[in-house]
Amino acid sequence: EVQLVESGGGLVQPGGSLRLSCADSGFIFSSLWMHWVRQLPGKGLAWVSCINIDGSVTRYADSVKGRFTISRDNAKNTLYLQMNSLGAEDTAVYFCVRASSMAFDPWGQGTLVTVSS
Amino acid sequence: QSALTQPASVSGSPGQSITISCTGTSSDVGVYNYVSWYQQLPGKAPKLVISDVSSRPSGVSNRFSGSKSGNTASLTISGLQAEDEADYYCSSYTISTAWVFGGGTKLTVL
Repeated sequence: EVQLVESGGGLVQPGGSLRLSCADSGFIFSSLWMHWVRQLPGKGLAWVSCINIDGSVTRYADSVKGRFTISRDNAKNTLYLQMNSLGAEDTAVYFCVRASSMAFDPWGQGTLVTVSS
Repeated sequence: QSALTQPASVSGSPGQSITISCTGTSSDVGVYNYVSWYQQLPGKAPKLVISDVSSRPSGVSNRFSGSKSGNTASLTISGLQAEDEADYYCSSYTISTAWVFGGGTKLTVL
C-alpha cells in the first residue's frame, strides 16, 4: 500500500517561513506529478500547487503565488513545499497527494500549519 | 479560481439514493471531463471515489456513480449505508491550468 507521509508542520509567526516535506513509499514517485492541497480548519479543500515529474513545470494557486515554492527530490522520493511570508489565512492542514490522471489519489494524512503570534 | 458550488448538506435514509450536485462554469466543469469526487470521513484524509466525471477507482463500491451535464456534475450514491455518512467534495481542472474544489457537502444518513 502506498504511503505518503507529510512532516514539517507546526506553529509559526506571521511573516515567517516553513518547509513541508512528503515522503512517498512507492516505487513510481519519479514518474508522477504531485500536488499539495490544503484544508482550512473546519472548512473545505483548496488546491495549492503541483509539480511535474522532473520538477521543470510548477503551478500555483493565485493565493500562494510568489510566496510558496514546490520542489521534489526523486532520488529521495520526497516532495517539498517552501512557504514564505505566511499569514493567518495560510493556517490549514496541508496534504501531499499523488496525481492520478487529473484527479488526486492517494492522499497523505496531512500536516497542520498554524500561523499565529 | 472561484470555488465550485455544492449544497451544504444532503440527507437520506438507508437504502435510498441521494445525489449531490456540483456547479461550475464554462471555464472548468463545462469544458473538461476532469471532474472528480472525494469522500472525507471525520478526522481522515479525503479518498477518491470518482474520477474523470464517471470513472470509479478500483475498490470503490459500485453504489457510487458520477455524471455531468453542461456546467453541473453530480455524484449519486445508491443503496445508502450508514458508512456513507461523510463530507463529499467535487473538484475540476480549469482553463487556468489549476484545480478548483467545491465547498463540500455533508451527507447525513438518517
